[in-house]
Amino acid sequence: DQQVKQNSPSLSVQEGRISILNCDYTNSMFDYFLWYKKYPAEGPTFLISISSIKDKNEDGRFTVFLNKSAKHLSLHIVPSQPGDSAVYFCAARSMRDQFYFGTGTSLTVIP
Amino acid sequence: EADIYQTPRYLVIGTGKKITLECSQTMGHDKMYWYQQDPGMELHLIHYSYGVNSTEKGDLSSESTVSRIRTEHFPLTLESARPSHTSQYLCASSRRWTTSGRAKQFFGPGTRLTVL
Repeated sequence: DQQVKQNSPSLSVQEGRISILNCDYTNSMFDYFLWYKKYPAEGPTFLISISSIKDKNEDGRFTVFLNKSAKHLSLHIVPSQPGDSAVYFCAARSMRDQFYFGTGTSLTVIP
Repeated sequence: EADIYQTPRYLVIGTGKKITLECSQTMGHDKMYWYQQDPGMELHLIHYSYGVNSTEKGDLSSESTVSRIRTEHFPLTLESARPSHTSQYLCASSRRWTTSGRAKQFFGPGTRLTVL
């Protein structure tokens, strides 16, 4: 059973606008959440993370929001740039120190 | 930046062959992981290791085996490859988890395996 879900397989956004990628999870014991970015033929690279004790973490153009009551997190990219076009995976860490990944959202930023 | 390597990057092989996918990291990380990913699907954990001589199976059942004789090396072996093993295999490593919770996984570039 999939514990981390990304229900939008793709998203297109105009350059300069905000990109919002969403992720839902089912396990309330996850204590750490991460976003990874993946280009074709490469492995995922870490983007930003958030602890379950926080509700927001910001790093430059990237902000992650966590809503524990809704078991939902989102990644905001503003302003979006063409170089942001990639597949974005959200991941959650379990108490067993294992990471569970979503299926990814393919973001296309249109110049 | 992360230093984790996987070879080969691409492999096309016939059914029944034995293959070993190599993964090495130079960061001294204790933890290493193998994931399997098909297009449009999530990364599935198939093996992980917390250190030398430690290996565990992940949530996704896999016919592969792993070994961890050295900290930096975590090879994955398929004794007899089948078409159902066709997939992308990603290796990752991370530091020992800390109470600050800031550990993250570094991924290799992946091996794209095709079994004919």
